[in-house]
Amino acid sequence: SAVISQKPSRDICQRGTSLTIQCQVDSQVTMMFWYRQQPGQSLTLIATANQGSEATYESGFVIDKFPISRPNLTFSTLTVSNMSPEDSSIYLCSVDGTGDHEQYFGPGTRLTVT
Amino acid sequence: AQSVTQLDSQVPVFEEAPVELRCNYSSSVSVYLFWYVQYPNQGLQLLLKYLSGSTLVKGINGFEAEFNKSQTSFHLRKPSVHISDTAEYFCAVSEGFNKFYFGSGTKLNVKP
Repeated sequence: SAVISQKPSRDICQRGTSLTIQCQVDSQVTMMFWYRQQPGQSLTLIATANQGSEATYESGFVIDKFPISRPNLTFSTLTVSNMSPEDSSIYLCSVDGTGDHEQYFGPGTRLTVT
Repeated sequence: AQSVTQLDSQVPVFEEAPVELRCNYSSSVSVYLFWYVQYPNQGLQLLLKYLSGSTLVKGINGFEAEFNKSQTSFHLRKPSVHISDTAEYFCAVSEGFNKFYFGSGTKLNVKP
């Protein structure tokens, strides 16, 4: 299993600003994932982040809006840039459980954009 | 891409009654199936998973699910629910262990 922490747990931001969300894992993992959960909706994969390479973005998500860093095997950041109220969501980090075929999720970052 | 359908957005049920939360997926290729639970203001927790073998999978908190390949379904069941089971439940499908597709979620509301 893996224990994942995220910072901040929540934030209220003004439109036009940017917020960087941090994800820390207690063990080294190959792949880290960033999801968005909009109010009342399911999880949507934003991108997959591998250490040492550019993140792979899903359809509808672009690097300029959601730049991701993956400096080592235990840490990643997601930045939500030039925010608008439509970016108000819960952002979750997850990692793949090597050998047990499941994903472990962080507690999420609840973002409100005013 | 996979499509995961959870037919019921909300399921109200009385305490100690049985419950079934439905999940259907689109792909006919080999898949791996999961149920996650999300309690209010918390992250997702794995309830159970199907990778291979027996089609009846038992998970935590007394939940179980049955994989039906012909019907491409993976319904979640519990014979007797508790108030503490009130949460949102997500069905998820993976084709290759790293890319997960989630259903829209089912809110289970257990009433006393």
